[in-house]
Amino acid sequence: DIVMTQSPDSLAVSLGERATINCKSSQSVLYNYNNRNYLLWYQQKPGQPPKVLISWASTRESGVPDRFTGSGSGTDFTLTISSLQAEDVAVYYCQQYYSTSWTFGQGTKVEIK
Amino acid sequence: QVQLVQSGAEVKKPGASVKVSCKASGYTFTSYYMHWMRQAPGQGLEWMGLINPSGGSTNFAQKLQGRVTMTRDTSTSTVYMELSSLTSEDTAVYYCATGRDYGGYWGQGTLVTVSS
Repeated sequence: DIVMTQSPDSLAVSLGERATINCKSSQSVLYNYNNRNYLLWYQQKPGQPPKVLISWASTRESGVPDRFTGSGSGTDFTLTISSLQAEDVAVYYCQQYYSTSWTFGQGTKVEIK
Repeated sequence: QVQLVQSGAEVKKPGASVKVSCKASGYTFTSYYMHWMRQAPGQGLEWMGLINPSGGSTNFAQKLQGRVTMTRDTSTSTVYMELSSLTSEDTAVYYCATGRDYGGYWGQGTLVTVSS
């Protein structure tokens, strides 16, 4: 299985400041035939299912604020929240869909400092 | 719009089995694989397996092999996940998810509590 490792496990950021979450996969999730990275970023709030923020490593889903940006390729990826808002307090997960056996990062809890 | 509606919460005793349903609507049921995940209290997400609603083929996480079954009913666009020999470690919220390339659509979750 592809192992997904996120860092940090948690972070506290002041309102309006930048939050950066990293995700590393144990093998590349880039398919050469279409040059796409099979990597998702989710946001999960308490009592809710995960919500997809970013697909294909860098494509923002419809309705997702542009302060959320995904970047990276191959095995190293980053989710950046450019200006943290109160409603962004949540746990964020990366997930690979390169393999039909999906695997998730352990999650990063984002809080307000 | 795509909707996945799961069955209600369950309480089971250790050693029992549980069967959770996921009813799909808003798309052609046989077009996309259905995946199942679970999330233990305060923990992360764990992929359990998938079913291809078109032919019924399945693929399960190795740690659950032999305990999990996934089936589908194309007449009602419903997928079922059954987990047997339950222990307290199986207490979790169980989710179904689907989408063309990735899990863009999730069910609301079903809490399964295993307690004597």
